[in-house]
Amino acid sequence: QVQLQESGPGLVKPSETLSLTCSVSGGSISSFYWSWIRQPPGKRLEWIGYIYESGSTNYNPSLKSRVSLSVDTSSNQFSLELTSVTAADTAVYYCARVVGGLFDFWGQGRLVTVSS
Amino acid sequence: DIQMTQSPSALSASVGDRVTITCRASQSIGSWLAWYQQKPGKAPKFLIYKASSLESGVPSRFSGSGSGTEFTLTISSLQPDDFATYYCQQYDSDVWTFGQGTKVEI
Repeated sequence: QVQLQESGPGLVKPSETLSLTCSVSGGSISSFYWSWIRQPPGKRLEWIGYIYESGSTNYNPSLKSRVSLSVDTSSNQFSLELTSVTAADTAVYYCARVVGGLFDFWGQGRLVTVSS
Repeated sequence: DIQMTQSPSALSASVGDRVTITCRASQSIGSWLAWYQQKPGKAPKFLIYKASSLESGVPSRFSGSGSGTEFTLTISSLQPDDFATYYCQQYDSDVWTFGQGTKVEI
């Protein structure tokens, strides 16, 4: 059974960079697409972007100018960086495995609060 | 982006009730629709893909239907474990989007 676990700071200051890592266990990161999804408090889920093992990416245009995903196949991890954060970026951030455009395995989520 | 709109936003039901949730897309998405169940403080759980195909291990009381722009999720006989929020998600376009959720409560 594939398991995903997000890690990273739970508090980020405005204008700084949010950085999270997703560790994948129970299966290889190879041959799959991997995504980040976020959910602001009381709001709907928002897809952020995906990355393939090769490093190819696709981002949500609403965040594209501030987002960067990377993958480390040797560590079975992939990461998210979101620059110039504001309070609007406060959310639970999930990592997930992508199969054909949907998300079959999810991490438990990491609450990131943007505040000074 | 394709906008996904669910109705109702919340509903009250009892154990044993038949529950139907509707999801509408702002343009045709064929059958490229998934449904998820989310409980408070937990990650979403994948239930249905391609509008009507049940993920392995999901109880048969869950079913999905529809194509184009209108879809439904039906729970044939609501069980205590089913009280949760349900989201639809389209994966037809390059930008994947979710509905706003439907909270099923007692």
